[in-house]
Amino acid sequence: GENVEQHPSTLSVQEGDSAVIKCTYSDSASNYFPWYKQELGKGPQLIIDIRSNVGEKKDQRIAVTLNKTAKHFSLHITETQPEDSAVYFCAASRGNQGGKLIFGQGTELSVKP
Amino acid sequence: DSGVTQTPKHLITATGQRVTLRCSPRSGDLSVYWYQQSLDQGLQFLIQYYNGEERAKGNILERFSAQQFPDLHSELNLSSLELGDSALYFCASSVDLGITEKLFFGSGTQLSVL
Repeated sequence: GENVEQHPSTLSVQEGDSAVIKCTYSDSASNYFPWYKQELGKGPQLIIDIRSNVGEKKDQRIAVTLNKTAKHFSLHITETQPEDSAVYFCAASRGNQGGKLIFGQGTELSVKP
Repeated sequence: DSGVTQTPKHLITATGQRVTLRCSPRSGDLSVYWYQQSLDQGLQFLIQYYNGEERAKGNILERFSAQQFPDLHSELNLSSLELGDSALYFCASSVDLGITEKLFFGSGTQLSVL
């Protein structure tokens, strides 16, 4: 069935360093890949997304890359700040099932001052 | 604040009972989604409604049901509750049924079944 694997499960970096989170999806029909950030006591919040016709997308300190051939995509956060500390989830969906997201297991990012 | 309102924030009940979780989507959003978040299963899609009609189903148990009302708010009904139903239940909304949907999540309802 559809599956999204996410690594690592925990990640600790020093403030100012970069953080990279990687995901692999199984459904070759997937063509939409959002990333969500979840802070304690809150719901997931969309931070960036990418479609399968694009290889890379950047928004300030956040970038996402997609390799359709290998079926994996990654989140890159540069110049990390303590407020980046949260759980990050990758997800994938098919074009005709926009809201039916298959989520990865999450990565708990800790940015140490 | 995402604009999606979920009530109650916390719910404690006993096995065998029935509960109703409520969700008000963002103003103007026609689609509502329900997700379940637990430590062992992660975030799992349950069901989607669009303008009052069921559009997609995920891993939703037969003991669970949902509906979306004419004012677009939605309710998730959980019955014959079991210990394993304890989880965080999220509602999300989006504008329509576009190919790629940006979902806006509420803060969730924490359900504890004792």
